[in-house]
Amino acid sequence: DVKVTQSSRYLVKRTGEKVFLECVQDMDHENMFWYRQDPGLGLRLIYFSYDVKMKEKGDIPEGYSVSREKKERFSLILESASTNQTSMYLCASRWTSGRVGYNEQFFGPGTRLTVL
Amino acid sequence: GDSVTQMEGPVTLSEEAFLTINCTYTATGYPSLFWYVQYPGEGLQLLLKATKADDKGSNKGFEATYRKETTSFHLEKGSVQVSDSAVYFCALTTNSGNTPLVFGKGTRLSVIA
Repeated sequence: DVKVTQSSRYLVKRTGEKVFLECVQDMDHENMFWYRQDPGLGLRLIYFSYDVKMKEKGDIPEGYSVSREKKERFSLILESASTNQTSMYLCASRWTSGRVGYNEQFFGPGTRLTVL
Repeated sequence: GDSVTQMEGPVTLSEEAFLTINCTYTATGYPSLFWYVQYPGEGLQLLLKATKADDKGSNKGFEATYRKETTSFHLEKGSVQVSDSAVYFCALTTNSGNTPLVFGKGTRLSVIA
């Protein structure tokens, strides 16, 4: 089974702290994604990466950065955490596959971040 | 661009009731379609998928049929249980490359005993 793991299920940080959220997948997926999920707003894409050291901005990149030094690991960084970044953060991964039927995204369990 | 529209929630049903959650899409290509489920406090799990017109995806008693003529992929279950209470997301992709899936906003289902 594909496994996407996230470093923490729950995290509490203070305003102004630098926060690292880690995501690891074990299926050699080329593509990895970071979303945040807030009530009434659905899933919003923050950043994604289609290869090592490559990144693309999603819909709401402000206040975030990412790092992908190894294929299996994709990190989301909050340079200076703010209270409006309190949210559920979801990581996902996916193959770059030419075969129909192998193109779904696999999600991690999520990290619920609270910034005080 | 591509988009997914699904019915607004929340939906509240009694146990053993019939469930339909509507999903329609617009896409420039020929999409693959998905339903994901998110149980409380968890990430999203793939529930079912369909990759071509008239395909029926099914899993755990849920079904959805890919209708190209109506650009729809409605989720149905004949008899819901309390354990089906979750948020359901419809999604699509028109390629198997490196772009993210396009998701609907999600529909919250609550099933009461």
